[in-house]
Amino acid sequence: RKEVEQDPGPFNVPEGATVAFNCTYSNSASQSFFWYRQDCRKEPKLLMSVYSSGNEDGRFTAQLNRASQYISLLIRDSKLSDSATYLCVVNRGMNYGGSQGNLIFGKGTKLSVKP
Amino acid sequence: EAQVTQNPRYLITVTGKKLTVTCSQNMNHEYMSWYRQDPGLGLRQIYYSMNVEVTDKGDVPEGYKVSRKEKRNFPLILESPSPNQTSLYFCASSPTRDRASEQYFGPGTRLTVT
Repeated sequence: RKEVEQDPGPFNVPEGATVAFNCTYSNSASQSFFWYRQDCRKEPKLLMSVYSSGNEDGRFTAQLNRASQYISLLIRDSKLSDSATYLCVVNRGMNYGGSQGNLIFGKGTKLSVKP
Repeated sequence: EAQVTQNPRYLITVTGKKLTVTCSQNMNHEYMSWYRQDPGLGLRQIYYSMNVEVTDKGDVPEGYKVSRKEKRNFPLILESPSPNQTSLYFCASSPTRDRASEQYFGPGTRLTVT
């Protein structure tokens, strides 16, 4: 099983649609989880953290299920400007010989929002 | 303006010619890291540094060196570049080691080794 796995997409959706991205991770010792967004040929930018209790930021909702080692990102009422690649990020954790700074990025899920 | 800067942004070089890509942040961040991004492979961590004089290998450190003599700078050194190091390189920083996943990325350096 890959350390961090995401559906590569692409997801092609109309404006206003609700889109869900999923991510699974293999290391149960991982402690930090984030979603990043990367526009074409640009640097990744932090979108939001992922907490066990779930967190929401406007149209974006992130969820973490530690038991299933699963992370999700929901985008409601999608906009054209949401078109980007969404990256799931997990820290490797101590029992894999890593540290909090040893981060694993998923390969990303590409989203294309059409008018 | 708070930012991470990288230089150069674009570089074409030949096999074996030593090069350095600089990375600097003006946010007094403790943690810094280097990544390479390749099609189909995503972002992979090369090296990271939790603080001055503390560096650790990431997933793909072979062929690279780093140093962290000052808090703001974290240069990436390729002693003898090879064509398989052709890639898009990103430097990133985070406020503290405990918040290492909250990273601020530089604009990237596109390196071609012929």
